[in-house]
Amino acid sequence: GESVGLHLPTLSVQEGDNSIINCAYSNSASDYFIWYKQESGKGPQFIIDIRSNMDKRQGQRVTVLLNKTVKHLSLQIAATQPGDSAVYFCAEKAGGSYIPTFGRGTSLIVHP
Amino acid sequence: NAGVTQTPKFQVLKTGQSMTLQCAQDMNHEYMSWYRQDPGMGLRLIHYSVGAGITDQGEVPNGYNVSRSTTEDFPLRLLSAAPSQTSVYFCASRLRGDNQPQHFGDGTRLSIL
Repeated sequence: GESVGLHLPTLSVQEGDNSIINCAYSNSASDYFIWYKQESGKGPQFIIDIRSNMDKRQGQRVTVLLNKTVKHLSLQIAATQPGDSAVYFCAEKAGGSYIPTFGRGTSLIVHP
Repeated sequence: NAGVTQTPKFQVLKTGQSMTLQCAQDMNHEYMSWYRQDPGMGLRLIHYSVGAGITDQGEVPNGYNVSRSTTEDFPLRLLSAAPSQTSVYFCASRLRGDNQPQHFGDGTRLSIL
């Protein structure tokens, strides 16, 4: 499998628990934020996004929270399942820029 | 739709060889980009394109060339492979507009001996 999880921050949870993955972003001009999930051997997969005029957005079992004051983004996964085990990346993009900047990622391990 | 398709999935090269990594998308996305992913370093942008005939450099462009002759295709060329270019390469595409997420291929795993 992939070795992309090496040296990454790791979050270990039990199946059924709620997971919270955090991300600090760097550019105060960023106004669009995206969370991606990357499973072993696969490319990053879009999960959820949020614009800077919002502080919370919900999807299916996932919620993204944005705190612009402290430049912090979090991804909450409800009732975490073994299939949620993956590396999660946050990305930020400033208005007018073409391509987002990615964080280093967090490895989520879900124990049955 | 197939989405973003990358070929080959795996490749081993010798130092000094050249090769082209292929990327094609069938979603009529204007923007395309290439990243490399190394352990613990996240995704680093190599080159990107905002439309046919337009390319620009990203964070780590040295040793790589790109061209964008069609909307669908965005090949990445390694001119003279070096062991430092051993990595996993991802291609991504997205629609024009400020708040559009990227869609990624499943990567090309490249080893340079």
